Amino acid sequence: GNSVTQMEGPVTLSEEAFLTINCTYTATGYPSLFWYVQYPGEGLQLLLKATKADDKGSNKGFEATYRKETTSFHLEKGSVQVSDSAVYFCALGGSGNTGKLIFGQGTTLQVKP
Amino acid sequence: DAGVTQSPTHLIKTRGQHVTLRCSPISGHKSVSWYQQVLGQGPQFIFQYYEKEERGRGNFPDRFSARQFPNYSSELNVNALLLGDSALYLCASSHQIRQGGPYEQYFGPGTRLTVT
Repeated sequence: GNSVTQMEGPVTLSEEAFLTINCTYTATGYPSLFWYVQYPGEGLQLLLKATKADDKGSNKGFEATYRKETTSFHLEKGSVQVSDSAVYFCALGGSGNTGKLIFGQGTTLQVKP
Repeated sequence: DAGVTQSPTHLIKTRGQHVTLRCSPISGHKSVSWYQQVLGQGPQFIFQYYEKEERGRGNFPDRFSARQFPNYSSELNVNALLLGDSALYLCASSHQIRQGGPYEQYFGPGTRLTVT
């Protein structure tokens, strides 16, 4: 079945460091891919998305490219801030005629000043 | 515009009891999905409703049920609560569903359910 695997955390970085959070997926068909962010005590916020191979999603300095050949959707940011500290979820969706999203286990990012 | 709203925010129940959680989607959105997020894990899909019909069901026991009303709001019901049902229950809405996606879903703040 479809699945998503994320790199284990927590990831601890200093402010202005480069961020990469790895995400790989297994899926049939042509799913859409998403990154969601969850701040402490809150629900999930959509960060970015890509709907087909080679698409690049971007938002708030974060980027991720849909790589069908490597079944990956890694999240990157060139310079992280303390306010980026949160849990990041990679998700897969769109197969069939349901809106079901399949999430990875989440990666906690802590950015220190 | 208001986002997805959920009520209540927090809830404490005893094993064996029943609980009803409520969700109002973003105005104009016709699809509502429910997810369970156990502490430290990613959300797990429970149900999706579109135009008041169930369109998807995750791997959850029959103790879990849901429905969608004509105004597109939704309720999630859980009977015979177990300790393992303690989790954050998230509701998400989307404008529509169709094969191929992109299934962009917007999440509410969640209801924190604690079963003692």
